[in-house]
Amino acid sequence: EVQLVESGGVVVQPGGSLRLSCAASGFTFDYYAMHWVRQAPGKGLEWVSLINWDGGSTYYADSVKGRFTISRDNSKNSLYLQMNSLRAEDTALYYCAKALPTVTTMIDYWGQGTLVTVSS
Amino acid sequence: EIVLTQSPPTLSLSPGERATLSCRASQTVNNYLAWYQQKPGQAPRLLIYDASNRATGIPARFSGSGSGTDFTLTISSLEPEDFAVYYCQQRNNWPLTFGQGTRLEIK
Repeated sequence: EVQLVESGGVVVQPGGSLRLSCAASGFTFDYYAMHWVRQAPGKGLEWVSLINWDGGSTYYADSVKGRFTISRDNSKNSLYLQMNSLRAEDTALYYCAKALPTVTTMIDYWGQGTLVTVSS
Repeated sequence: EIVLTQSPPTLSLSPGERATLSCRASQTVNNYLAWYQQKPGQAPRLLIYDASNRATGIPARFSGSGSGTDFTLTISSLEPEDFAVYYCQQRNNWPLTFGQGTRLEIK
């Protein structure tokens, strides 16, 4: 069974930094691209970032480009999101998500999310 | 950026009725459109990918159609567990984008 467990969400001040982690299990992690998607409280879904299977290619939403960095450690079955220069509008539930086997831009499984609150 | 507009924002129906949800793209996404279901307090679940392909384990009452800029998710006969928020998502262009959602509520 695919399991994705996010951690690292906390309350942080504007301008601060944070690293989110996602522990993956139940599938061969290094075969799949992975995503981060966020959802502000009471709002819709916003795609944040994608990393391919070996970390060689990464993609970002314009709203986070230059501030967030996605990475992965296949030896630890883990996905990360380094978040710098945080803003109030980054407040959201951050989901780690797995791509379909042959379609890197399509998500088939999601974690339960970790809440990031940016507030002074 | 491709903007996806979902309609209606809220749909009120009774169990057993047919639901038709719409997603319109600001430019063509070919057939690279997915539908997700999200229940309160839960993560989204993939229902349909590439416009008309049901994901693993998704009941046959869910179907998707469309191409280009206009897409439809149809639930043929609503079950109590189908009342949720539904999102469309395109993967034709960067960045990947989602629609704003349609809330399907019990009438």
